Amino acid sequence: KAGVTQTPRYLIKTRGQQVTLSCSPISGHRSVSWYQQTPGQGLQFLFEYFSETQRNKGNFPGRFSGRQFSNSRSEMNVSTLELGDSALYLCASSFYPGGAETQYFGPGTRLLVL
Amino acid sequence: KQEVTQIPAALSVPEGENLVLNCSFTDSAIYNLQWFRQDPGKGLTSLLLIQSSQREQTSGRLNASLDKSSGRSTLYIAASQPGDSATYLCAVIFEGVKTSYDKVIFGPGTSLSVIP
Repeated sequence: KAGVTQTPRYLIKTRGQQVTLSCSPISGHRSVSWYQQTPGQGLQFLFEYFSETQRNKGNFPGRFSGRQFSNSRSEMNVSTLELGDSALYLCASSFYPGGAETQYFGPGTRLLVL
Repeated sequence: KQEVTQIPAALSVPEGENLVLNCSFTDSAIYNLQWFRQDPGKGLTSLLLIQSSQREQTSGRLNASLDKSSGRSTLYIAASQPGDSATYLCAVIFEGVKTSYDKVIFGPGTSLSVIP
């Protein structure tokens, strides 16, 4: 069974631009969560989607948004990029919402904002 | 404020040694706790998941325990190998008010080096 895939793997943007990252969960998984990892703040929860609905959201500004499609694939969007948005963005999938069972992580998208 | 801490921040041991990694959390109302390993530049690999009603979980050379009352979890690695070198993170999902679970908070991680 294929694992969680994320595209693109690497991305360079400039301040003020917007970016869209994609995550394809493991086949059959309906829950997708997004995380931001930086050296200073560590791993922080962004949001979780289950059956196309946002079920949970971390403490991030409204510039960070996401959505989930009927095939469970998910996208996250960051508008008006700031230098501090440079990070590794990870998504994770599970069959049920993340609290109930093991989450499986993708390799991440490394975003650099110049 | 709900926080998760991990001690030590870094650990270096000779191959074959048994070791313990610690995770502490400030709120005992947890939904579950999960241990992950992360290799440099990679995503996370789940190691063990402990539900709040459980005391421990085992997988191969790994054993994780949970003591909610004291706000602690330990990850025990037996007979360490160079391939165990990675950063180990614990993640705590705290109980929610509106839903059965609330936010997930990760610890800062313990960087483990196993020397051949």
